[in-house]
Amino acid sequence: ETGVTQSPTHLIKTRGQQVTLRCSSQSGHNTVSWYQQALGQGPQFIFQYYREEENGRGNFPPRFSGLQFPNYSSELNVNALELDDSALYLCASSLGGAPANEKLFFGSGTQLSVL
Amino acid sequence: DQQVKQNSPSLSVQEGRISILNCDYTNSMFDYFLWYKKYPAEGPTFLISISSIKDKNEDGRFTVFLNKSAKHLSLHIVPSQPGDSAVYFCAAINSGTYKYIFGTGTRLKVLA
Repeated sequence: ETGVTQSPTHLIKTRGQQVTLRCSSQSGHNTVSWYQQALGQGPQFIFQYYREEENGRGNFPPRFSGLQFPNYSSELNVNALELDDSALYLCASSLGGAPANEKLFFGSGTQLSVL
Repeated sequence: DQQVKQNSPSLSVQEGRISILNCDYTNSMFDYFLWYKKYPAEGPTFLISISSIKDKNEDGRFTVFLNKSAKHLSLHIVPSQPGDSAVYFCAAINSGTYKYIFGTGTRLKVLA
């Protein structure tokens, strides 16, 4: 039990729609990061938030955006959904700060299917 | 460009024997490496890590070895147990960034 919860667990959307995925981090963890895991692949870094500010981003277009709130919750928003956005989306929390060499605590993920 | 590679998609081992999972990386700036285990319908859970200043780290049945000159790390599980059956991901990070790079995973099956 990592203390990181994600909702919903499964979601089906159609191409062009928008989606919001939610995460509740472990209490006391100032950093949240989001990963996309496509079938048969490892998790790929989308972005990271530290104390409500984005402080790192992977190779994802601007239609992927996020928010982090003071109560350790966060959101991942994806606009104009494409078929290739179908994947497991993982939220991970950590204590935060630098250096970044600390372990991540993952939620169970949201499985998004885009039809 | 896959900076972290796990070339064996699957591995089967008899219960009680050693499991060796391998991982190669290309970026010499990586200075911290981790192994995660993932069961179906669950998120990855942290297993063991190693800093680039070390070449070995042990935690119970799990040992990670790092060979920086070969840009290679391995996870040894001794003895293997059926409960170890899962997908194992290695991950690497340059501490100056915030981006963990994960491999594609190796599915370990421990046979009773």
